[in-house]
Formats: sequence, structure tokens, C-alpha cells
Amino acid sequence: DAGVIQSPRHEVTEMGQEVTLRCKPISGHNSLFWYRQTMMRGLELLIYFNNNVPIDDSGMPEDRFSAKMPNASFSTLKIQPSEPRDSAVYFCASTQGLAGGFNEQFFGPGTRLTVL
Amino acid sequence: GNSVTQMEGPVTLSEEAFLTINCTYTATGYPSLFWYVQYPGEGLQLLLKATKADDKGSNKGFEATYRKETTSFHLEKGSVQVSDSAVYFCALSFQGAQKLVFGQGTRLTINP
Repeated sequence: DAGVIQSPRHEVTEMGQEVTLRCKPISGHNSLFWYRQTMMRGLELLIYFNNNVPIDDSGMPEDRFSAKMPNASFSTLKIQPSEPRDSAVYFCASTQGLAGGFNEQFFGPGTRLTVL
Repeated sequence: GNSVTQMEGPVTLSEEAFLTINCTYTATGYPSLFWYVQYPGEGLQLLLKATKADDKGSNKGFEATYRKETTSFHLEKGSVQVSDSAVYFCALSFQGAQKLVFGQGTRLTINP
């Protein structure tokens, strides 16, 4: 299995531009998570989906951030307009989401975003 | 609410030293506990887990015991290697739940 795939791996953009991060979860997994990691705030859960439906978006910082999961094999996280304080590493993770028991989260390699 | 607190980093040790990274939690009910590891330039990966009190999780020479009485899950390794240099995250979750609650992470550097 290829694991969780994220693209791009690195993104450098200018303030005010739209940024779209992409994630392909592991096949057969039905839950998907978007995290943001910075030195100052550590690892933060932004949003997660179960069966393509957003379950908890309480971690989304503000209206400039939006996430979609149009099907079981693809999700996007969009920032519009981007600001320098959005600079971070963004991780996508997926899990089988089985009812009961422990569901290990598998993380992608991350997208390092720099907003100038 | 549920939360996880880890010892402040960074931690720097010499090769073959004994390692302890402290982790305590606050939770309503009885969570499952995990340690994840993040190697440089990579995403997090599960290192070990324990699902009930007194369980010991172990992997790659690392161990952690679920202590309900002290609400702790300290990570230990008897003899660290340079390749153990990474950021370590303690986390909790509840049975059947999707969401993990992570600690702030502890950066470990092992010098040869």
C-alpha cells in the first residue's frame, strides 16, 4: 500500500493567494483528518471526516480555511486568502474508522506551506 | 475536558543512555493511550499503545505502562541510539472514537 499521499510536499506562495492542499487516504479507510503543526502551537486537529462527511471542524481557525471530501479517495484543504501566519506543516491522516476498538491513524508525509 | 501533558523538551542524551519521557493525562472515563513518533521530515507513526490500566505497550525497545492511579504513561528505553532522535507525542483516545488528543510533543536528540 502506498500509504497516505499528500501533495504538494512543499508550497511557497505570497500573502493573499489561494492555496489548495491535497490528500489521498489509504484505500478502505473511511475517516480522514487534517492537522496543522507549528513550533508555537504544536500539532492541532483542524477537521475530520467520517464517510466523507465533516464530523468536527471546531479546529478550523477561521473562515479563510475550508475542507472538502468529495469522495472516499480524495480530500482538499483550501486557504483563501493565505496569510504569513498560516505558514506550517499540514498533515493528513486516515484510519479505518471501525466502530469499537482502536483505530490507528496513519499519517501522510505532510505539506510544508510558506506564505511570504 | 480531555488533555495530555508531556515533559518539556528538548531532551538531549548520549548514545546508550536511559530515556524517560513523562506523560500524564486528564480524561473523563478510561481512555486508550498511545505514543507516536515523528522522524525528521516525516509524518507521525504509531510507536506503541495500551488500552487498559496496567497494560504495557512495547516496540523497538521502547516501553510504557498505563498507570491509572497516577494517570500517567511514561515512555522509557534502556539504551537509546542515534536513530531514536525524533519528536515523541503522547496521545489518548476513547474506544470507538475517531479523534486523538495529542500532547505537545517532546523533541529528543541522541548524540553519538
